Amino acid sequence: AQRVTQPEKLLSVFKGAPVELKCNYSYSGSPELFWYVQYSRQRLQLLLRHISRESIKGFTADLNKGETSFHLKKPFAQEEDSAMYYCALRGWETSGSRLTFGEGTQLTVNP
Amino acid sequence: IAGITQAPTSQILAAGRRMTLRCTQDMRHNAMYWYRQDLGLGLRLIHYSNTAGTTGKGEVPDGYSVSRANTDDFPLTLASAVPSQTSVYFCASSTGTGGVAGGYTFGSGTRLTVV
Repeated sequence: AQRVTQPEKLLSVFKGAPVELKCNYSYSGSPELFWYVQYSRQRLQLLLRHISRESIKGFTADLNKGETSFHLKKPFAQEEDSAMYYCALRGWETSGSRLTFGEGTQLTVNP
Repeated sequence: IAGITQAPTSQILAAGRRMTLRCTQDMRHNAMYWYRQDLGLGLRLIHYSNTAGTTGKGEVPDGYSVSRANTDDFPLTLASAVPSQTSVYFCASSTGTGGVAGGYTFGSGTRLTVV
């Protein structure tokens, strides 16, 4: 079974402050992890994926297999970062792949 | 059409009524999915289809059915709606294979209220 946990439902920071959104997972195989973002009343968009080791909009995330974590970080938060963020794990079964989401973290960046 | 189109955008439905949420994609993706989004619960998989002609149950399939007659369309049907099915429903698609892509493309969602 695959599971994703985001312990913080709400996170509030001030503009310019560092931000870290936590994500922990459990999966018996080799995980593929993603962060999705949903701005107010918009569709979910892929923010970044661990396999690409990329930085998007200043956000980075490192897969830590020892701690089974994939925390999302940004050194200086901006007001336009306010959104719902979902961590997701793609696991593979004999019938195909499945994307499992965490509960989501609502990030608010205050001016 | 570009990407995934869902219809309707929103709907208020009387309990006990039948409702079909439509989802169409033009990317020739093999795999399609239906999720419901509820505050504090995140997105939960209802049903999926790895390829046309096949479907499977996700995490919360009860009360829902799907069909996949062709590659492009993946409708979700509520046979007899109940208030607990009030939610925002997202359709998604992917190539269904591995590789660096891996991510899903999402529709804009259907906001359903069952009263």
